Amino acid sequence: DGGITQSPKYLFRKEGQNVTLSCEQNLNHDAMYWYRQDPGQGLRLIYYSQIVNDFQKGDIAEGYSVSREKKESFPLTVTSAQKNPTAFYLCASSFKAGLIYEQYFGPGTRLTVT
Amino acid sequence: GNSVTQMEGPVTLSEEAFLTINCTYTATGYPSLFWYVQYPGEGLQLLLKATKADDKGSNKGFEATYRKETTSFHLEKGSVQVSDSAVYFCALSVTDGYSGAGSYQLTFGKGTKLSVIP
Repeated sequence: DGGITQSPKYLFRKEGQNVTLSCEQNLNHDAMYWYRQDPGQGLRLIYYSQIVNDFQKGDIAEGYSVSREKKESFPLTVTSAQKNPTAFYLCASSFKAGLIYEQYFGPGTRLTVT
Repeated sequence: GNSVTQMEGPVTLSEEAFLTINCTYTATGYPSLFWYVQYPGEGLQLLLKATKADDKGSNKGFEATYRKETTSFHLEKGSVQVSDSAVYFCALSVTDGYSGAGSYQLTFGKGTKLSVIP
């Protein structure tokens, strides 16, 4: 089955530790994205990548880092510099349908930092 | 810039009631419009889309019509079920009017939580 996998579903860390969230897709999509979701705030874009070895900052990139060494994988590192890291993190990928890019989402990782 | 405004929730309906969730937008360039649904504890699923004015997107009994004159894309369903309880997000992407290039990015509304009671 084609899709986007994120692991783990729940992640707990102590304050001051870096943590890496996994995102893998087997849809052969070129572009991948990371979003953060907080209650009442909707989705906010952290980073996105159009192709391998290239990525761009989104609206809230501070305190986060990414890499895109393979087309299938786009891991997100939440660093200790992120002031309020507890949130639900969603990974997405997209393909071009005509002139637009349709985004498809993974199941999410809920990160709790104490 | 681009923005999406959704009606604030939560919305609570009885089973078989009619649903409308309002969505309006502002956009530079030519927008394409989407509705996503998020069930509790899960990621977002694309529910329907419309890519030009007067297009109607439909799926699973849900419909939305892209109204350029009112810059709206309201979501409707004639008879909701308990299984429709979820958060619904309206979103847009923009195609540049000069280059014709589509944007990689989506702009989301804040979401509307729907609860359907038996």
